[in-house]
Amino acid sequence: EAQVTQNPRYLITVTGKKLTVTCSQNMNHEYMSWYRQDPGLGLRQIYYSMNVEVTDKGDVPEGYKVSRKEKRNFPLILESPSPNQTSLYFCASSLKGGYGYTFGSGTRLTVV
Amino acid sequence: TQLLEQSPQFLSIQEGENLTVYCNSSSVFSSLQWYRQEPGEGPVLLVTVVTGGEVKKLKRLTFQFGDARKDSSLHITAAQPGDTGLYLCAGAREAGNNRKLIWGLGTSLAVNP
Repeated sequence: EAQVTQNPRYLITVTGKKLTVTCSQNMNHEYMSWYRQDPGLGLRQIYYSMNVEVTDKGDVPEGYKVSRKEKRNFPLILESPSPNQTSLYFCASSLKGGYGYTFGSGTRLTVV
Repeated sequence: TQLLEQSPQFLSIQEGENLTVYCNSSSVFSSLQWYRQEPGEGPVLLVTVVTGGEVKKLKRLTFQFGDARKDSSLHITAAQPGDTGLYLCAGAREAGNNRKLIWGLGTSLAVNP
C-alpha cells in the first residue's frame, strides 16, 4: 500500500530533551515536507526537501532540523524542544513539483 | 496575512442537502489543490485543478477553478455523513512547484444523519 508512515503517533516529552520524529514513504517520491498544524493558524511548512541531500527552510524552521540521506526517509529533529513546539505534525510527500501531497497520519507532540 | 480565504469557516447541514464552499484569493495561482481531513488524521488529496475555468467531478463533489485562477469552489450534492471533515484548499504560486503551497484555514463540515 502506497503510504507515508510517521512515528510515533503520540509523544509527550519534557523541555530540552532531544527527540526525532521519523517519516518514511514507499512511493519513490522526490519531494517531502514537514508541516505543523495549530488551531487558528492552519498548516505551516517547517522544512522541505526536493531530493536526497537537498533541503530548504519553510515558514517556521526555528527549533527544527531535518536530513534527507535516503530518498524514502525524512526525519524531523527537535534538538531542544520547548512548550511552543507542542503541535500536530505531518510529514508529506509528492511525486514532483505541481503534484498533490500524500500525508502521513500525524504525530501529536506535547512538550511540558 | 492569510492569502487563501476559505468560507464558510463552519457548516452544519442535514444529510441530503447540497452545499458549496469557497476558496478565494487576490493572488493568481498556477494550480489549486483540495484536501479533506478527518479528525486525528492527515489531509487526503481530493483533486488538483490547473486550468482557469476548469471543472472536475469526483462522484458527488464538483470542483471549479476560477477563470482568473484566483478562486475555487467545491460543491457537494446530496451530502452524506461520510462527507464530514475539514476541507482545505492549497494554492501553488509557481507551475510545477509545490514547494511554497499557500494553505487556507479550511471549512469544517458536519453532515448530520
